[in-house]
Amino acid sequence: AQKVTQAQTEISVVEKEDVTLDCVYETRDTTYYLFWYKQPPSGELVFLIRRNSFDEQNEISGRYSWNFQKSTSSFNFTITASQVVDSAVYFCALSTANAGGTSYGKLTFGQGTILTVHP
Amino acid sequence: DVKVTQSSRYLVKRTGEKVFLECVQDMDHENMFWYRQDPGLGLRLIYFSYDVKMKEKGDIPEGYSVSREKKERFSLILESASTNQTSMYLCASSPPGLAGVSYNEQFFGPGTRLTVL
Repeated sequence: AQKVTQAQTEISVVEKEDVTLDCVYETRDTTYYLFWYKQPPSGELVFLIRRNSFDEQNEISGRYSWNFQKSTSSFNFTITASQVVDSAVYFCALSTANAGGTSYGKLTFGQGTILTVHP
Repeated sequence: DVKVTQSSRYLVKRTGEKVFLECVQDMDHENMFWYRQDPGLGLRLIYFSYDVKMKEKGDIPEGYSVSREKKERFSLILESASTNQTSMYLCASSPPGLAGVSYNEQFFGPGTRLTVL
């Protein structure tokens, strides 16, 4: 069975602080994808990044960066110089194929981390 | 831009009522999903569909059914609403992969907050 754990339920920071959101996953599959989504107060989840299990390169996109480490089954997300607009719920998710080799893109989500950035 | 719309943002129903939640996407996606979101539990998959009239149970299908008569529309049905079905319901769609395997991103609607009294 697949499982995603986001141990940090809530994080509160002051603007311009760096913040890291942790994500730990469990799967027996060798091929899988990891995702991060952002859910602002409007409610609609917004896709941030997808990473496959064969690509352990870290990725940077502006103030966002992601650290994927297969050895620790972690896919952590760092926001540098946080801003008030970063306040949202952030979800980490995992997609794998089932025993029959199909997945149809099903996602297993973590519990989510509520990030509040204060001015 | 992909657009996923849900019929209502807020809905209040009474215990025992039959409830329909509608979702429409405009990008010709084969895959569609229904999740419920509860505090501390994240999003949990209720049902999904990979083609018209095709559906599969997700992790928490009990008390729900779905209908997909047209490719763009995926309905979630609560046959007899109960108070423990009070939740945020999110619909999503994604393009297909190859041979049933897809790792494409999902596009989400704004959600329907359902309250069952």
